[in-house]
Amino acid sequence: DAGVIQSPRHEVTEMGQEVTLRCKPISGHNSLFWYRQTMMRGLELLIYFNNNVPIDDSGMPEDRFSAKMPNASFSTLKIQPSEPRDSAVYFCASSWGRDNGGYTFGSGTRLTVV
Amino acid sequence: EDKVVQSPLSLVVHEGDTVTLNCSYEVTNFRSLLWYKQEKKAPTFLFMLTSSGIEKKSGRLSSILDKKELFSILNITATQTGDSAIYLCAVYAGNMLTFGGGTRLMVKP
Repeated sequence: DAGVIQSPRHEVTEMGQEVTLRCKPISGHNSLFWYRQTMMRGLELLIYFNNNVPIDDSGMPEDRFSAKMPNASFSTLKIQPSEPRDSAVYFCASSWGRDNGGYTFGSGTRLTVV
Repeated sequence: EDKVVQSPLSLVVHEGDTVTLNCSYEVTNFRSLLWYKQEKKAPTFLFMLTSSGIEKKSGRLSSILDKKELFSILNITATQTGDSAIYLCAVYAGNMLTFGGGTRLMVKP
């Protein structure tokens, strides 16, 4: 099992540019989560999907952020336009919904917006 | 709003010391409490606790949950430099995992 796969590993972009982060969850997992981690705020849940349907996006900071899950094996998190304060590590995690929280995390995408 | 608070924020010890990390929580519809270790990359799973008073143990690490007082502790005995990491506590409540801010542990040789 390859685990949760995220790409790219690192992204450096200029303010105002569009950024797309990608995630492939573990096959068979039916829940997918996007987290953002910063020194100041720790790990914050942005959005989660269950069976490809967005269930709770209350953590998405603002309209510049959007997430999609077109099928069970792929999700994207898009920031448009990006701002320096979006710089963080973005983690994707997946789980089988009945696991009581035993999520598996991807290696994260470190985003730097200059 | 669900809340998970960890203490201390950071800790510096020497190899061989024993450390205790704390996690308290206030959540609705508690299901489980989890501990993760985060080194350079993604958090990696350590323990899942669902019942009070039952210690979970893995080598030098152990953890216990108190559902009455709403807290958990993670103990590490005979610490090693490889234990240096951020230790994250998370509570699974409703259908979501809420993380604490983490405890940054540094173990000096």
